[in-house]
Amino acid sequence: EKVMTQSPATLSVSPGERVTLSCRASQSIGTNVAWYQQNLGQAPRLLLYGASIRATGVPARFSGSGSGTEFTLTISSLQSEDLGVYYCQHFDGWPWAFGPGTKVEF
Amino acid sequence: QVQLVESGGGVVQPGGSLRLSCEVSGLTFRNNGMHWVRQAPGKGLEWLTFIRAAGDDKYYADSVEGRFSISRDDSRNMLYLQMNSLTIEDTAVYYCVKDSPVLDYWGQGTLVTVTS
Repeated sequence: EKVMTQSPATLSVSPGERVTLSCRASQSIGTNVAWYQQNLGQAPRLLLYGASIRATGVPARFSGSGSGTEFTLTISSLQSEDLGVYYCQHFDGWPWAFGPGTKVEF
Repeated sequence: QVQLVESGGGVVQPGGSLRLSCEVSGLTFRNNGMHWVRQAPGKGLEWLTFIRAAGDDKYYADSVEGRFSISRDDSRNMLYLQMNSLTIEDTAVYYCVKDSPVLDYWGQGTLVTVTS
């Protein structure tokens, strides 16, 4: 069973700042990772899959990288609507698993 | 557009059972695998189970294996989650999610509260 970890747990940022979130897998998962954003009181939203492919409608300021066990989500210039919790998730075999999330706040 | 609407949540006692439903529209349901994901109050996301299109393959998280059962009715565009032997730790919002093959469309969730 593959375990996902994320760091930091909370990130305090300023508008317009470049933000980098990290995700680590306990075993190599290739690029079989996705990232989700969850705003307060809402269902999660798919941002990226395959480590770096933006989902439909996701702004270009969101980008992803990594392979194997280390992955990164970058927001090039943080907007107020980007505040929330970000989760990574692997889909490299069953069972799937999410990381614990990183909360991005002002 | 794609819509997923969960129902069936509510309050149940420990040891009880509940069946959640998810009505899917805006796509050819029978061609899509489907998942259930939950989120305990103030906690993160937990993947629970997956059913492949045609329903011939199912997978479960260890935490619900043997207690929860996923099923589908393609004639009614419905996804189900039968939950048995519920414990307080099963209290959560339960989301129905379409497979793409990641989790691309989510319902708004239905709240299950397990309490005595």
